Amino acid sequence: DQQVKQNSPSLSVQEGRISILNCDYTNSMFDYFLWYKKYPAEGPTFLISISSIKDKNEDGRFTVFLNKSAKHLSLHIVPSQPGDSAVYFCAADENRDDKIIFGKGTRLHILP
Amino acid sequence: NAGVTQTPKFRVLKTGQSMTLLCAQDMNHEYMYWYRQDPGMGLRLIHYSVGEGTTAKGEVPDGYNVSRLKKQNFLLGLESAAPSQTSVYFCASTLDGNTEAFFGQGTRLTVV
Repeated sequence: DQQVKQNSPSLSVQEGRISILNCDYTNSMFDYFLWYKKYPAEGPTFLISISSIKDKNEDGRFTVFLNKSAKHLSLHIVPSQPGDSAVYFCAADENRDDKIIFGKGTRLHILP
Repeated sequence: NAGVTQTPKFRVLKTGQSMTLLCAQDMNHEYMYWYRQDPGMGLRLIHYSVGEGTTAKGEVPDGYNVSRLKKQNFLLGLESAAPSQTSVYFCASTLDGNTEAFFGQGTRLTVV
């Protein structure tokens, strides 16, 4: 039973446009959400996070939106740059549980 | 400050052989995790630890054992390797389980 779902395996976006990556979750007890970026042959690196008490968190070109009623979050990258081409993982954490659960990832291609 | 270091980076095992993957972190983090990454499956949690001397099962623990004898080290053992354990293994650590996780560079394991 997949608790964190990223239903788009890949996404292609023109350089300079907005990239929107989506993530859905099923566990209503999740209270902390994170996005990680992964380049080939490297470990994932933390990108941005959001607590369940917020509905938006912004850091430079990256913004994460959380819709708790829909159990949905999204990562917006504006403007998209070539270096953003990577696999993006959505992850969720439940405060009383010590696990961090990841989605399957979305491969983002930024087109020149 | 090396962060999270995994040893070895690559390994080829024969079916039935055993091995231990070592993860070391120098950030004084309490929580440590072992994940495996397979094509189309994302990152799946194998085992994790919330402090020295503790371990717990994750999503896919079968065929693996772990130990956390020292706070800075988290060992993942395969007692009798199987081809299904061919994967890329990532170790991660967090300060307290509620903040961003730092990942190692990964270990690519092939079981033939």
